[in-house]
Amino acid sequence: LAKTTQPISMDSYEGQEVNITCSHNNIATNDYITWYQQFPSQGPRFIIQGYKTKVTNEVASLFIPADRKSSTLSLPRVSLSDTAVYYCLVGDHPGGNEKLTFGTGTRLTIIP
Amino acid sequence: KAGVTQTPRYLIKTRGQQVTLSCSPISGHRSVSWYQQTPGQGLQFLFEYFSETQRNKGNFPGRFSGRQFSNSRSEMNVSTLELGDSALYLCASSTQGRSSTEAFFGQGTRLTVV
Repeated sequence: LAKTTQPISMDSYEGQEVNITCSHNNIATNDYITWYQQFPSQGPRFIIQGYKTKVTNEVASLFIPADRKSSTLSLPRVSLSDTAVYYCLVGDHPGGNEKLTFGTGTRLTIIP
Repeated sequence: KAGVTQTPRYLIKTRGQQVTLSCSPISGHRSVSWYQQTPGQGLQFLFEYFSETQRNKGNFPGRFSGRQFSNSRSEMNVSTLELGDSALYLCASSTQGRSSTEAFFGQGTRLTVV
């Protein structure tokens, strides 16, 4: 199973760019890298997904180096509402079926 | 379109009882997964159903079971409840249930066992 490692927590000021890095040394060839955001007492919400290089959408960018052993979620100009836990997941395909494996996540706190 | 709906939102049960939680996936989604979230263990995978068949199962005791109906709605049952079963139970649906597709989570059912 591909395991991920992320910082436990991070603080940032409003308006700053935040980069959260995730390590996944044992990523398999078919695995995708996905990031979710979770607010207290709510289900996780999909942010972005990528396989290699760079992916950008309206809320974030995802940078993946050529070896794919790590990835960086970039949140531009954060606001207080970005305070949440962010999970990095790597696709797990035992027998071809799905089983999302969540790590401990990174608790991001945005400071006014 | 409507999101993933979980019922009930909150539940209080006593030890030894059983409980059934319900999840209605997004229309057209055939994969439904269940997760347990606790402060100590984080988000843990319970099982996944696709077209009424359990395709994958996490490391939980047999007291935790589930099923999926032909309309893709899913139920999760926990028998002989223990205090440690108190948790937020989350359901997620996706079109194919593979990592290359986005999973949509419900708001969860908060189960408290007393």
